[in-house]
Amino acid sequence: GAVVSQHPSRVICKSGTSVKIECRSLDFQATTMFWYRQFPKKSLMLMATSNEGSKATYEQGVEKDKFLINHASLTLSTLTVTSAHPEDSSFYICSADNNRGEGGYTFGSGTRLTVV
Amino acid sequence: TQLLEQSPQFLSIQEGENLTVYCNSSSVFSSLQWYRQEPGEGPVLLVTVVTGGEVKKLKRLTFQFGDARKDSSLHITAAQPGDTGLYLCAGAGGTSYGKLTFGQGTILTVHP
Repeated sequence: GAVVSQHPSRVICKSGTSVKIECRSLDFQATTMFWYRQFPKKSLMLMATSNEGSKATYEQGVEKDKFLINHASLTLSTLTVTSAHPEDSSFYICSADNNRGEGGYTFGSGTRLTVV
Repeated sequence: TQLLEQSPQFLSIQEGENLTVYCNSSSVFSSLQWYRQEPGEGPVLLVTVVTGGEVKKLKRLTFQFGDARKDSSLHITAAQPGDTGLYLCAGAGGTSYGKLTFGQGTILTVHP
């Protein structure tokens, strides 16, 4: 139980285009989801907290107009990288509170974005 | 801003050796989690420790939460090549309610 599905797993896009990444909680409802960015061999950097039915909360230094987050239902949050540039290439991961207590979170399998 | 200092950042050992990874903070966390991540995958939760002084064992892995709930350690006995991966500690609660504060990660390589 408590599975988070993230799609796509890999995407290559041209510079200037937009890419949408989906994060779905398959067997539980997630009022809050989190989006992270991870550089090679580094830890996770929190980008934003996605709240169902309300605006996302962005971490300092993260451009909200560039990284659009929509959490329209209790099982789906999306991250859209707008006007992507090569420096946006990274591994993006979502997670959700799995409601199992003890602060447990379930992570998606990540999306490798390459902007060419 | 809460910080979680994880060390060492890199660990390269031979099969059969023991190792310990540490996470330290000046902040108190309501719980601390340990994750293992393989390349191209998301982190997978290994354990959550909640009570100060708590010790949890998962086969060859032993997790400890400090009495003051500010630090934690992961000890692996007789490491195997399958243990290779990125290990992450993450603190929950404290002043960053609802968010996880991640350590810098430890890249473990176990050579056959």
